[in-house]
Amino acid sequence: GAVVSQHPSWVICKSGTSVKIECRSLDFQATTMFWYRQFPKQSLMLMATSNEGSKATYEQGVEKDKFLINHASLTLSTLTVTSAHPEDSSFYICSAPWFSGRHNEQFFGPGTRLTVL
Amino acid sequence: EDQVTQSPEALRLQEGESSSLNCSYTVSGLRGLFWYRQDPGKGPEFLFTLYSAGEEKEKERLKATLTKKESFLHITAPKPEDSATYLCAVPAPESGGSYIPTFGRGTSLIVHP
Repeated sequence: GAVVSQHPSWVICKSGTSVKIECRSLDFQATTMFWYRQFPKQSLMLMATSNEGSKATYEQGVEKDKFLINHASLTLSTLTVTSAHPEDSSFYICSAPWFSGRHNEQFFGPGTRLTVL
Repeated sequence: EDQVTQSPEALRLQEGESSSLNCSYTVSGLRGLFWYRQDPGKGPEFLFTLYSAGEEKEKERLKATLTKKESFLHITAPKPEDSATYLCAVPAPESGGSYIPTFGRGTSLIVHP
């Protein structure tokens, strides 16, 4: 099946710094990618939809100036957590794609564990 | 109101003890129901997609079924390696006319040897 990679797999940073997370589709093109956040023992919460060539669509309550998304190419989307604070510590997961006609399958990346000290 | 509800939240089974996980949904015009397995610290792994009531799909010890209101993930004679969190998701319509993936909270399954 299709593979989605994320980099880094984990990162520890100081409060106030910015962190960039990459999401790549390795063997297919994705015009749309999704970014999720998952807190311990909770389900995945959709943060935003990343669209190649256009602005990302953010879910209600997600600060677009804090979580910058750039879908630079058909195989790469990046999420930058700006001025990170301890409450931003979480597990960030990307996925691609959602709909492809009748064949609906969403491939997830392995996730990135962010710890903000 | 939650659009996807999973039960139970946690389930402990002895190896070989069959059981079922439930996923109920409230979205209308279902455009597929998805089951995933998630191991700790990893991204979800796709298991099944179901599109219409009455549909069933199987993979090893897992079988997923779908009705008009809910889906079941049946686990037959589970093994310890089946221990994971099982998530279900549906595409839910948003105001812009598109659909976003909406996940349940998951069922944490532990299978004891």
